[in-house]
Amino acid sequence: DQQVKQNSPSLSVQEGRISILNCDYTNSMFDYFLWYKKYPAEGPTFLISISSIKDKNEDGRFTVFLNKSAKHLSLHIVPSQPGDSAVYFCAAIGAGGADGLTFGKGTHLIIQP
Amino acid sequence: DAGVTQSPTHLIKTRGQQATLRCSPISGHTSVYWYQQALGQGPQFIFQYYEEEERQRGNFPDRFSGHQFPNYSSELNVNALLLGDSALYLCASSLKGQGYATNEKLFFGSGTQLSVL
Repeated sequence: DQQVKQNSPSLSVQEGRISILNCDYTNSMFDYFLWYKKYPAEGPTFLISISSIKDKNEDGRFTVFLNKSAKHLSLHIVPSQPGDSAVYFCAAIGAGGADGLTFGKGTHLIIQP
Repeated sequence: DAGVTQSPTHLIKTRGQQATLRCSPISGHTSVYWYQQALGQGPQFIFQYYEEEERQRGNFPDRFSGHQFPNYSSELNVNALLLGDSALYLCASSLKGQGYATNEKLFFGSGTQLSVL
């Protein structure tokens, strides 16, 4: 049973517009959420995170929103740039870190010129 | 500074053989994590090593074992290989690691692509 779901395998956005990547989770014990970005032939790199006590975290062009009641988080990228084309993984972890990070299947973001 | 390095980049084995994958963490990092990423899936947690001991383990059979050396480098061993073990194996490191502090970020290597024929 997938505890972290990214229901869009791919997303195409025009350069300069906003990219919105969505993630849903089922485990109410998750209390920390992260987004990782992965280019081909490279390992995932940390992008941004949010604690369950917050509903928003911002870092430059990247903002993550968390809706605990809906068990939903989203990553906003504004404005989207060609270098943002990559696979984005949503990940979650529970208090104490048991069972490591739980990842979604990823969303392939394609930024169109 | 060097990032997390993994070797080999690619590894081809046949069913029933054993595979050994190696990982060197970022200098100063003491905890190592291993993940398996099957095609089209997200990474799945295998186990974590800290202070040369396995600290946490995901839902993987005993065929998957590991080791951490005094210099914090690590090995992942997979015995009695199955076709389904074919995947990208990712190693990650972090500064601390007794348990997993939720505000720590993992730094991943580029992975070892294991193919079982």
